[in-house]
Amino acid sequence: AQSVTQLGSHVSVSEGALVLLRCNYSSSVPPYLFWYVQYPNQGLQLLLKYTTGATLVKGINGFEAEFKKSETSFHLTKPSAHMSDAAEYFCAVSDPGGSYIPTFGRGTSLIVHP
Amino acid sequence: DTAVSQTPKYLVTQMGNDKSIKCEQNLGHDTMYWYKQDSKKFLKIMFSYNNKELIINETVPNRFSPKSPDKAHLNLHINSLELGDSAVYFCASSQGQGVITEAFFGQGTRLTVV
Repeated sequence: AQSVTQLGSHVSVSEGALVLLRCNYSSSVPPYLFWYVQYPNQGLQLLLKYTTGATLVKGINGFEAEFKKSETSFHLTKPSAHMSDAAEYFCAVSDPGGSYIPTFGRGTSLIVHP
Repeated sequence: DTAVSQTPKYLVTQMGNDKSIKCEQNLGHDTMYWYKQDSKKFLKIMFSYNNKELIINETVPNRFSPKSPDKAHLNLHINSLELGDSAVYFCASSQGQGVITEAFFGQGTRLTVV
């Protein structure tokens, strides 16, 4: 069965600082990986995804993530945080060899200080 | 033009009542889902339908019954509502079974049972 672990339920950064949100997955086959963002009182919006090919994936709003098979990780980064980045971030995995239903991590709340 | 729309956005009701949440997608997707997000933001899959057929039915009380009249609609009916049913319910859709793409989410329905 596939699973996702997001380290840190809350991450706090200063505006302009590097953002690093951690995601580790468990899957019996090479997975498809996703990062979603949820702003207050809204649904989830896709930031970026990894399926196959290049392991460094660029997404919207300046975010990127790198798939590292050896570390079973898919950490999300952004060089410089903006106040508007404050939101809940979810890592998700879909297993091409089994259930294709996305399984979500527990989420990380990003807090951005002025 | 909203891709995945849910109604109502807010729902406040008394214990024991029966209520429904409607969901429609105009993306032409074959697969639709219902997720429950609890107070700690954890997203848990409840049901998945592919072309109007139930694919996944996670451990959900029988009081919850999904209905898919056509592949663009997936409604959720809840009988005998309990306090513990209070949560945000998200409808989502994706391209189809066997084709792993991102899920598109509705804005959510915040259900409060009093």
